[in-house]
Parts: sequence; C-alpha cells; structure tokens
Amino acid sequence: NAGVTQTPKFRILKIGQSMTLQCTQDMNHNYMYWYRQDPGMGLKLIYYSVGAGITDKGEVPNGYNVSRSTTEDFPLRLELAAPSQTSVYFCASSYSRQDGYTFGSGTRLTVV
Amino acid sequence: AQSVTQLDSQVPVFEEAPVELRCNYSSSVSVYLFWYVQYPNQGLQLLLKYLSGSTLVKSINGFEAEFNKSQTSFHLRKPSVHISDTAEYFCAVSEVGGGADGLTFGKGTHLIIQP
Repeated sequence: NAGVTQTPKFRILKIGQSMTLQCTQDMNHNYMYWYRQDPGMGLKLIYYSVGAGITDKGEVPNGYNVSRSTTEDFPLRLELAAPSQTSVYFCASSYSRQDGYTFGSGTRLTVV
Repeated sequence: AQSVTQLDSQVPVFEEAPVELRCNYSSSVSVYLFWYVQYPNQGLQLLLKYLSGSTLVKSINGFEAEFNKSQTSFHLRKPSVHISDTAEYFCAVSEVGGGADGLTFGKGTHLIIQP
C-alpha cells in the first residue's frame, strides 16, 4: 500500500502566484486533514473532511481552499501566495478518531 | 476545547541513558492520547496511543507512556536510547465524543542523542 501520497515534495512560489498541493490515499479512509508545520509551533489544522463532498475549516484556514470530490483525493489550493504561507504542509488520513493518523511525507513550500 | 503542553522543546541525552519526554494536556472530558515521531525530512508516524483500559501503553521499539488522569499527563519514556531515536516527538490529544476536527498537537520535543 502506498498510504498517503503528497505531491510535490518541494516548491518555490512567487508572491501572488497560486498552486494546488495534491494528496491522495489508498486506504479508503473517510477522514482526511491538512496541517501546516512551522518550526517550534507544532502542527496547525488548516482544513479537514469527513467524507466525499464534506469539508470544514480548521484553526488556520485563511488563504487556503479545499475540495473532496472523491474518497481518495483531498487537494489543498493556495490562492495569491504570501510569505506567511512558507511552511511544510502535511496531509493525513484516518479510519476513525481512535486509530490515529497516517501522514504523507509533506510538501515544503517557500513563497518569495 | 483541548490543549497540549510539551514542557521541553529540546532534550539532549547520552546514548544508552534513559529518557522522559513530558506531555500535559487540558480537557474537561475524557480524551484519547497519542505520541507521534517525526524523523528528519519525513512525515509523522504513530508511536503509541492510549484509548482506555490499562494506563501503561508500549510501542514495538521500546518506548512506553503512562496515562495519569489526576496529573493530566502522558509522559513518554525509554529506559535506554539509541542514536536512531534522534527525532522530533509530538504529543497529541483528541476528546472522546468530540468533533471530527482532528487531533490537537503539542509543539514538539526534539530528542537529541549524544554518542
């Protein structure tokens, strides 16, 4: 099993550009999450989804959008990139809240 | 709402010495507790979890954590560390019966193993 796959692994964006971070999982998990990780700050929840067609905001959703058209895919869209969005982004999925998460390997994004 | 405090941002320890990484949580209801490990340039991996029952939980690589309800703590311990244990460790909490908005993570503790 591939688990949770994130692409790209690295990206440099210019201020004002947009991009989509891809996340796909092959475990048939209903729950999917996007987190950002900044040094010394732990992980902050951006958006989450409990199933296809259902998404909701987390702690830090401003500047981001998501969609969940299938169980497998949960892309994160950055519109009008800003330097404050420089971070490492992790996608995760789970079968249930008790199971814990399976994380992808992350996307390191730099906005210049 | 729940919160997690990891009391040490960095813990240096010599190889083969014991280590304890501290985690305290705050919640008004019952919780699930997790420890994750992140090796350099990788995603987080589940190390161990407490859901209910026995308060001492163990991982396959020698770590253990004890749930202490009165102290609201879930400290991670290993009796003898190896150089390969060098990583960032995150404590996380989720409220039983809570919403689907996921785990709340602590800020992490960097475990540095010195030879």
